[in-house]
Amino acid sequence: GDSVTQMEGPVTLSEEAFLTINCTYTATGYPSLFWYVQYPGEGLQLLLKATKADDKGSNKGFEATYRKETTSFHLEKGSVQVSDSAVYFCALSSPAAGGSYIPTFGRGTSLIVHP
Amino acid sequence: DVKVTQSSRYLVKRTGEKVFLECVQDMDHENMFWYRQDPGLGLRLIYFSYDVKMKEKGDIPEGYSVSREKKERFSLILESASTNQTSMYLCASSRPGQGSQAGELFFGEGSRLTVL
Repeated sequence: GDSVTQMEGPVTLSEEAFLTINCTYTATGYPSLFWYVQYPGEGLQLLLKATKADDKGSNKGFEATYRKETTSFHLEKGSVQVSDSAVYFCALSSPAAGGSYIPTFGRGTSLIVHP
Repeated sequence: DVKVTQSSRYLVKRTGEKVFLECVQDMDHENMFWYRQDPGLGLRLIYFSYDVKMKEKGDIPEGYSVSREKKERFSLILESASTNQTSMYLCASSRPGQGSQAGELFFGEGSRLTVL
């Protein structure tokens, strides 16, 4: 079945540092790929997505490129802020019978940014 | 603004009690999901539903049941709560099929359940 593997955290950085959170996946067919973010005490919200190979998703200074050849979707940001401290989840959705999409999540990576 | 609303942010129940967690979405989405979130384990799918009165088991359905009598509402039921069901429960919805939002989930804020 489908699976998502992302680097374990916590990732601890100083403000303005470069961020990479690795994510690789296994899936049949052509999934859509997502990064969700969960701020303390809240539910998950979509950060960015890519629906086909070589697509780049971007939002709030974060970006990730759908790499089919390496089955990866690494999250990057050039200069993190304290307000980026959160848990980040990599996810994929593959089409299932009837046209619905079944999501699969990684275990999440906690990011802590110090001033 | 689109919304998924979970009825209770925090609940404390006793072992053996019946627990209802309610979720309502206002986006006319066909698909709805219940996850539980535990430290180190990420999100695990309990049940999902493609349509009214339809339900499918996820990865960890044991000890849970669901009800979807109306399109906008998806309820998670713990028939007899146990301490190992202490967790954060997240509801989500999505659109089916192709299109720009296909596969994208919209989450509620979560319900933190403690079973004593």
